Amino acid sequence: GEQVEQLPSILRVQEGSSASINCTYENSASNYFPWYKQEPGENPKLIIDIRSNMERKQTQGLIVLLDKKAKRFSLHITDTQPGDSAMYFCAAMDFYAQGLTFGLGTRVSVFP
Amino acid sequence: DPKIIQKPKYLVAVTGSEKILICEQYLGHNAMYWYRQSAKKPLEFMFSYSYQKLMDNQTASSRFQPQSSKKNHLDLQITALKPDDSATYFCASSPWTGSNYAEQFFGPGTRLTVL
Repeated sequence: GEQVEQLPSILRVQEGSSASINCTYENSASNYFPWYKQEPGENPKLIIDIRSNMERKQTQGLIVLLDKKAKRFSLHITDTQPGDSAMYFCAAMDFYAQGLTFGLGTRVSVFP
Repeated sequence: DPKIIQKPKYLVAVTGSEKILICEQYLGHNAMYWYRQSAKKPLEFMFSYSYQKLMDNQTASSRFQPQSSKKNHLDLQITALKPDDSATYFCASSPWTGSNYAEQFFGPGTRLTVL
């Protein structure tokens, strides 16, 4: 199986600054790492993902980094806005798995 | 139009009863999943189906039984309900199973409360 640890559990950032969330995984066979954003009362929404053949991926103010040696991946939200306030979940999946293994989530709050 | 439909949105049940959660997806995906989210275990994988066949079961209890009548349809039957079953149950789908096609999209969820 897989275990995913996610830190921090709570993150408060000032509007316009960057927010960073870190995740580590245990299974060296994991090769797919998505990030989901979940707002209160809503479903998790896929915001960005990275596969093991990449080290960095960027889209619309989001950057994901993957360090396979350290079994660590991270999400960086640049120029945070109030709309970025939400729960963020990292996840991992190995080639043979059927489901995603999620971290416990990070509650991001963006204040003025 | 919603691409993944889950019914009902809210469900209240009494301990010991049985309920069925409905999920249909219109994304043309071949793989469907059930996840559970509660205060104790956020986003826990339960089952995966591909072409109506069970691919993986990570639920320890036989009280949870997925049912697939069509490729785009995956229901979840829960018997002998317990208060600990209270959670939001999310259905998800992806083009195929396996990490090469793993972009999973989640439905709106069914919030189950067991009294």
